[in-house]
Amino acid sequence: QQQVKQSPQSLIVQKGGISIINCAYENTAFDYFPWYQQFPGKGPALLIAIRPDVSEKKEGRFTISFNKSAKQFSLHIMDSQPGDSATYFCAASVGRRALTFGSGTRLQVQP
Amino acid sequence: GAGVSQSPRYKVAKRGQDVALRCDPISGHVSLFWYQQALGQGPEFLTYFQNEAQLDKSGLPSDRFFAERPEGSVSTLKIQRTQQEDSAVYLCASSLGTGGADWGYTFGSGTRLTVV
Repeated sequence: QQQVKQSPQSLIVQKGGISIINCAYENTAFDYFPWYQQFPGKGPALLIAIRPDVSEKKEGRFTISFNKSAKQFSLHIMDSQPGDSATYFCAASVGRRALTFGSGTRLQVQP
Repeated sequence: GAGVSQSPRYKVAKRGQDVALRCDPISGHVSLFWYQQALGQGPEFLTYFQNEAQLDKSGLPSDRFFAERPEGSVSTLKIQRTQQEDSAVYLCASSLGTGGADWGYTFGSGTRLTVV
């Protein structure tokens, strides 16, 4: 059972544009929603995270928007740069232990 | 150390062979997790340790998979009688605490296992 559905599978954005990645979850017990960035040959690295009592969180160019009633959350990357080209994973957990990951979005930012 | 260290980086095993994958977490990190990442997919949870106690092994796909962390630091994931479907990147992650507002993992770079 895929508990976290992520879209799109791949995304091409021009430099300076906004990248938007969406995730939807099923388990209402999830209480922690992080986003991870992964470069080829590396492990995922935590980018930004949110808890369900907050509707938006911003850190630099990265923003998470969270809609508890719709069971959806999204990552917005403002002013996208070629260095942002990577695979992005949303995830969710209950009690901040085991993470359930989405299937990933391969982002390519064209110069 | 500065990060989570995994060894070997690459492992090729013949079908039926046993393998052992090692994880050195960040010093002092209480929690340790193993994940399996198939090509083009997100990581999938295998097992979780808090210090030396294995608190959750619900993600281990079969009894051929076994993990241990006997002294609460280094962990080993062992796969017996490897099968082709075991081919994946095995990721280890550690975390300082067991919860909290700013909880987050640090992942290692993984071990890429190829079963031929």
